[in-house]
Amino acid sequence: LAKTTQPISMDSYEGQEVNITCSHNNIATNDYITWYQQFPSQGPRFIIQGYKTKVTNEVASLFIPADRKSSTLSLPRVSLSDTAVYYCLVGEFRGSARQLTFGSGTQLTVLP
Amino acid sequence: NAGVTQTPKFQVLKTGQSMTLQCAQDMNHEYMSWYRQDPGMGLRLIHYSVGAGITDQGEVPNGYNVSRSTTEDFPLRLLSAAPSQTSVYFCASSWDAETQYFGPGTRLLVL
Repeated sequence: LAKTTQPISMDSYEGQEVNITCSHNNIATNDYITWYQQFPSQGPRFIIQGYKTKVTNEVASLFIPADRKSSTLSLPRVSLSDTAVYYCLVGEFRGSARQLTFGSGTQLTVLP
Repeated sequence: NAGVTQTPKFQVLKTGQSMTLQCAQDMNHEYMSWYRQDPGMGLRLIHYSVGAGITDQGEVPNGYNVSRSTTEDFPLRLLSAAPSQTSVYFCASSWDAETQYFGPGTRLLVL
């Protein structure tokens, strides 16, 4: 199983760049790495997805080294509204389709 | 687009009662799924469907049934509610498993 491991919690201050690292030592060749964000009392929201090297969108950047055994989600200049739980996931093919396994995620708290 | 909608928002059941949680999407997605989230935990996959007429079990399927008669709807049935099924239930839809759109959730309390 391509289980992921990430820190339970992180604190940051407004305006700082936040990097959340996730390890996925057993990732398979055709697996993608996907990150979600979840605010309290809401469903998770897709942030970014990547396979290798670097992916950037309007919200975040995702850095994936050549061995793909880890990935780093980078949030530039966070604000209080970025306080949320961030999940790192690797889709695995089980049954009739790929499935996502959500761990406990990383609780990011942005302080003023 | 309404996206993914779930009803009801909140429900209280007595042990042994049955009910159906509704989920609908208007994005013409083939892939739909149901998750439960217990306090302080991540989401766990209950059932999923890759298209109308096709369903499969996820990580925690016991006590739940699903059917997919149309592309738009994916109801989740609790056969005989138990206190252990107290949770928040999220429905999601997508073109693929990785980039899912989640609904607002249904909070279920089983007494």
